[in-house]
Amino acid sequence: NAGVTQTPKFRILKIGQSMTLQCTQDMNHNYMYWYRQDPGMGLKLIYYSVGAGITDKGEVPNGYNVSRSTTEDFPLRLELAAPSQTSVYFCASSYMGPVYEQYFGPGTRLTVT
Amino acid sequence: DAKTTQPTSMDCAEGRAANLPCNHSTISGNEYVYWYRQIHSQGPQYIIHGLKNNETNEMASLIITEDRKSSTLILPHATLRDTAVYYCIVIGRGGSEKLVFGKGTKLTVNP
Repeated sequence: NAGVTQTPKFRILKIGQSMTLQCTQDMNHNYMYWYRQDPGMGLKLIYYSVGAGITDKGEVPNGYNVSRSTTEDFPLRLELAAPSQTSVYFCASSYMGPVYEQYFGPGTRLTVT
Repeated sequence: DAKTTQPTSMDCAEGRAANLPCNHSTISGNEYVYWYRQIHSQGPQYIIHGLKNNETNEMASLIITEDRKSSTLILPHATLRDTAVYYCIVIGRGGSEKLVFGKGTKLTVNP
């Protein structure tokens, strides 16, 4: 199993551009999550999904959108990128809810200039 | 806000036990204590979790006090590869619960 994979690993965006961060898991997990981590800080939940077709906001959803059309994929869309979205983005999945062990991807390092 | 309090940083000699404390004085009866770690620039990694009883797995041991207000993660023989930020997280099994990562403890294992 590849676990949780994320693409791209690195990306530089100009202010106002848009992009999609890809996340795929091959463990047939129901729950998937998107976190961001700013330098020296803990992770903050952006969005999560409890299954295909169902998504919900986390702590910091503004400026982002998600969709979950399949069990495996959970892309994160950034519209109109801003410098405040410069961060490392981690995708994670778990069998059921967050009390179950979460498996994290390697992260996407995004810089908005 | 995080429901836990951890020291900002700790040091440990290679080969010795690393004992990482966590205070969670407001924990409720149905909440679990989870530990994750994050090695530099990587995604967090699950270590262990417990409710009331002490737990042990191939990575670590978790000691929870009888009143459940604090716990200690023990890495029995720390190696340089254990240098990481360790997060102690309290979470219940209700449907709306979410992992809340605080700043954690930066453990540095020295040769």
